[in-house]
Amino acid sequence: DAGITQSPRYKITETGRQVTLMCHQTWSHSYMFWYRQDLGHGLRLIYYSAAADITDKGEVPDGYVVSRSKTENFPLTLESATRSQTSVYFCASRSGTNTEAFFGQGTRLTVV
Amino acid sequence: DAKTTQPTSMDCAEGRAANLPCNHSTISGNEYVYWYRQIHSQGPQYIIHGLKNNETNEMASLIITEDRKSSTLILPHATLRDTAVYYCIVRVAGEEYGGSQGNLIFGKGTKLSVKP
Repeated sequence: DAGITQSPRYKITETGRQVTLMCHQTWSHSYMFWYRQDLGHGLRLIYYSAAADITDKGEVPDGYVVSRSKTENFPLTLESATRSQTSVYFCASRSGTNTEAFFGQGTRLTVV
Repeated sequence: DAKTTQPTSMDCAEGRAANLPCNHSTISGNEYVYWYRQIHSQGPQYIIHGLKNNETNEMASLIITEDRKSSTLILPHATLRDTAVYYCIVRVAGEEYGGSQGNLIFGKGTKLSVKP
């Protein structure tokens, strides 16, 4: 199916574990983004990518790693999860510089 | 990017027009006004955007003042399914390859409650 999909939808992990959230889009959009959403903070940009092999930090990148070896995939890795990273994570993509962004359904991550 | 100011919450009666204001008094000439909404627990959804002319699509209308310092999103016939948080965002278009200027930076938005 065409669109942007995130997996898993729900994840519970332990403090200190490495966890990877997946994001896949079928449009070959150049730009991809990761946001986190917490109560009281709204949506905050973690990392973004303008094309394959080009990534850059957003507002809150600490504790996260991204890669973009293929245009359609933009995984987000928490190298050593902390409770403060409990959040809902949204992936998004858009094709050009002045086009709408499409968001995935989100991944709800709980770090215990 | 220019910052925006929106009311925290608004109510609207079902079937009536919902008018959501946004102030962006420091907007630059190359910055567009974008509107997104987020229905509970879902990812944000694009609604409309514009530079200086009023815009209309199947979802809404966007009215931008002549000095571009404020705008209003209009949902002509609000339904219960329009209950959501609405975000007004200003961003540049045509950012440099790999640059951050065009990223969507979300504020707190306006929580619109459509009531029967």
